Amino acid sequence: EIVMTQSPATLSLSPGERATLSCRASQTIGKNYLAWYQQKPGQSPRLLIYGISTRATEIPARFSGSGSGTEFTLTISSLQSEDFAVYYCQQYTNWPITFGQGTRLEIK
Amino acid sequence: QVQLVESGGGVVQPGRSLRLSCAASGFTVNTHGMHWLRQAPGKGLEWVAMISYDATQTHYIDSVKGRFSISRDGSKNTLYLQMNSLRAEDTAVYYCAKDLFGSRWCNYFDSWGQGSLVTVSS
Repeated sequence: EIVMTQSPATLSLSPGERATLSCRASQTIGKNYLAWYQQKPGQSPRLLIYGISTRATEIPARFSGSGSGTEFTLTISSLQSEDFAVYYCQQYTNWPITFGQGTRLEIK
Repeated sequence: QVQLVESGGGVVQPGRSLRLSCAASGFTVNTHGMHWLRQAPGKGLEWVAMISYDATQTHYIDSVKGRFSISRDGSKNTLYLQMNSLRAEDTAVYYCAKDLFGSRWCNYFDSWGQGSLVTVSS
């Protein structure tokens, strides 16, 4: 099983600041099978990024993904109030599909 | 417009069974890989099971193998999760989700249901 480790567990920032969330895989992620999701309290998750860096439909350009191998990053260029949420990375290289434990992005 | 609506959750005793349903609209379950995921109270996301777009393959997380079974009914455009021998650690909100792309392996989840709470307790 590929273990996904996200850091930090909690990130406290102010609106307008840049957020950098990290995700490390215990094995190399093949074929770019890496995605990011956003989940707000009481809501279902929403797909933000797939294939490491492709934004899903209607996702604003301030969200970007990067990385390769075992190290991946989700960047939010200028935080808006609606961006404060929990973010998860997810891999599909091997079964089972696994998620990171999440990064909580909170308002400072 | 894609919509997924789960039903069938509730409170069940350990060792008993429950079947979750996920009614789909706006697309056809026969053309997309479909998944069940869960989230224990206050915890993160955990993928549980998938059925491939062509229904030739199913996969499960180890902890549910032999107890849970995923299936679909194209005539009803509905996904199912049969859960047997339930344990306390199966307590979670269960989500159904569809693959981003149809007619191919994908495993990115672009549409999710609202979730159905399953509580396993005596």
